[in-house]
Amino acid sequence: AAGVIQSPRHLIKEKRETATLKCYPIPRHDTVYWYQQGPGQDPQFLISFYEKMQSDKGSIPDRFSAQQFSDYHSELNMSSLELGDSALYFCASTRGTSYEQYFGPGTRLTVT
Amino acid sequence: DQQVKQNSPSLSVQEGRISILNCDYTNSMFDYFLWYKKYPAEGPTFLISISSIKDKNEDGRFTVFLNKSAKHLSLHIVPSQPGDSAVYFCAASGGAGTASKLTFGTGTRLQVTL
Repeated sequence: AAGVIQSPRHLIKEKRETATLKCYPIPRHDTVYWYQQGPGQDPQFLISFYEKMQSDKGSIPDRFSAQQFSDYHSELNMSSLELGDSALYFCASTRGTSYEQYFGPGTRLTVT
Repeated sequence: DQQVKQNSPSLSVQEGRISILNCDYTNSMFDYFLWYKKYPAEGPTFLISISSIKDKNEDGRFTVFLNKSAKHLSLHIVPSQPGDSAVYFCAASGGAGTASKLTFGTGTRLQVTL
């Protein structure tokens, strides 16, 4: 079965640079969530989209923005990167009102 | 403010025995609970879930119990297998419509030994 696809899997950036993370949800899933997991921490919710509209916002810095496109894929844009942004970034998808979120493999972002 | 807590950071169980992973929550608005399994360098994998209107849900070797009055849930794995060794996260959802975010616990690392 098709899963959530995230690209790139690994990304190394320098401080103050920008990064774009991409997420392709499971086919026919219309809802996308972004989570950040720091070292030794639990995943923290960043932002979610339903039918291309932002539906909820968590602890996402103002330097970050995201959107969901007409094909339901989503992109997380991160600017003015800081060392503390180094983390695993997970995307998850669901369909409609389903509670079960299916996660992608994550993008490991390292800021040097 | 950790609204979902897994107080045991690690657990070691012999193969064939029962593994019991515990989770406590503080937010009474949570109405759906999920367990995820995570291997290193992979995303969390959905295991089993339970609605707040139930007190038990079973799927093969995995059973989740919910005690709403105690705000406590547990995941039972019987029998435990070496391939079950992973980090297990408890997660909770506040429901109420679409795109409900998950609030995760801190995880319990399960080691199943031979």
